[in-house]
Amino acid sequence: DTAVSQTPKYLVTQMGNDKSIKCEQNLGHDTMYWYKQDSKKFLKIMFSYNNKELIINETVPNRFSPKSPDKAHLNLHINSLELGDSAVYFCASSQDLSGDYGYTFGSGTRLTVV
Amino acid sequence: AQRVTQPEKLLSVFKGAPVELKCNYSYSGSPELFWYVQYSRQRLQLLLRHISRESIKGFTADLNKGETSFHLKKPFAQEEDSAMYYCALSAASGSRLTFGEGTQLTVNP
Repeated sequence: DTAVSQTPKYLVTQMGNDKSIKCEQNLGHDTMYWYKQDSKKFLKIMFSYNNKELIINETVPNRFSPKSPDKAHLNLHINSLELGDSAVYFCASSQDLSGDYGYTFGSGTRLTVV
Repeated sequence: AQRVTQPEKLLSVFKGAPVELKCNYSYSGSPELFWYVQYSRQRLQLLLRHISRESIKGFTADLNKGETSFHLKKPFAQEEDSAMYYCALSAASGSRLTFGEGTQLTVNP
């Protein structure tokens, strides 16, 4: 059983389209995150949710809208995709907000905007 | 504000040689430090946490508050250690993990 699963694994789409990435964790964790890994492999936090509540929104364009229907799911919807959105998006979860026990990451979604 | 710096983007060593991946941080409070590893085409995995003072796959890391460093060390590198290594910091208040830029380690035969 995969602890944190993301779908799809790969996503190729045209500029201007709207797309969603789904994330689910079966660890019973309270906190979930979205990170963006750019072409230089730099990881930057985008959002964090704790028990379905938004905790962090890290200066991400409002074309990106996260949704957490329950604490096991955190989806990411992106409107009007731009070339610069091409990256690998990682979902992660942690036991609680402290993150003291570390994060568990999904396998990533490689988004390519053409 | 919290910041993590990994000064070496690329590091190449021979099998059996010691390896040290450098990590420095800036944070005014008491941080929690981590090392994560990403093997080729795999997800990021937690390697070790400073609070548990453990050794995983022969790697150790000591938090040096005076030098604000958390360098990762292994006395004898193996080819399977080749991967991308990220140092990360979590503030005492939690809620986010701030990553360094990563160091790509290559262990040559």
